Amino acid sequence: DADVTQTPRNRITKTGKRIMLECSQTKGHDRMYWYRQDPGLGLRLIYYSFDVKDINKGEISDGYSVSRQAQAKFSLSLESAIPNQTALYFCATSDRDRDRGQETQYFGPGTRLLVL
Amino acid sequence: AQSVTQLDSQVPVFEEAPVELRCNYSSSVSVYLFWYVQYPNQGLQLLLKYLSGSTLVKGINGFEAEFNKSQTSFHLRKPSVHISDTAEYFCAVRMPGGSEKLVFGKGTKLTVNP
Repeated sequence: DADVTQTPRNRITKTGKRIMLECSQTKGHDRMYWYRQDPGLGLRLIYYSFDVKDINKGEISDGYSVSRQAQAKFSLSLESAIPNQTALYFCATSDRDRDRGQETQYFGPGTRLLVL
Repeated sequence: AQSVTQLDSQVPVFEEAPVELRCNYSSSVSVYLFWYVQYPNQGLQLLLKYLSGSTLVKGINGFEAEFNKSQTSFHLRKPSVHISDTAEYFCAVRMPGGSEKLVFGKGTKLTVNP
C-alpha cells in the first residue's frame, strides 16, 4: 500500500465551485506539504504544516486554504475555483529532523485538476 | 533568496549513452541540494541528496551528482542510461537550519530512445 495517498486522482470542476483535495499518509510523519506543478514551472509550495496546530503559507497560497485534521491528514481547498488553478497537485510528507533542511520529502501520486 | 536553474528543459539521448543533467543554484549561504525524479503519471521520488562531506554523491538507479561550490552547480550524471530512465528530473535546494522551503528547478525531461 502507498504511504502517501491523494484523493481524488483526477477532478474536473467548473469556475466558482468549491473543491477539496485530500491527502493521507501512513508514514507517521509530522510534516506535510501541498505543492502545485505546472508545465515548465516545476513545483511551487502552496501551504505546509509541521504539526496538527501549525499551518503556514507557502509562496502561492492566494486562492487556497488548508486543514490539518489529524497528523495523518492534510486537505487543500479551493473556495472558488478559477481556470488558472488548473494544475497537478502534490501532497508531500517529511519526518522531523534536528536540522529541518536535511529531511527527504515523500510525495503522493498527485491529483490532476481541471477547472473549466 | 535561493533559486535553481536547470539549463535544459529537454534532453534526448540514445540507450546506453552517458547523460548529464545540469543544475545551478544561487545562494549566498550554504545549502542542501537534492535531485528528484518523476516517472510518467507518478509523484516525485528522491534520487540523491548532498548535505555535506564528499562532493560526489551516489544515488539510486546508478545516478550520481557532483557538488561544485565554486561553480554553484550540482549536475546529475549516469554513465549508461536505460529506456526506463525516461522521466522528468528536478533539482531542488534548501537552506540548512530552519528554512522550510524546498525550491525546485523547472525540471529536465530526459527521453531515452532505443
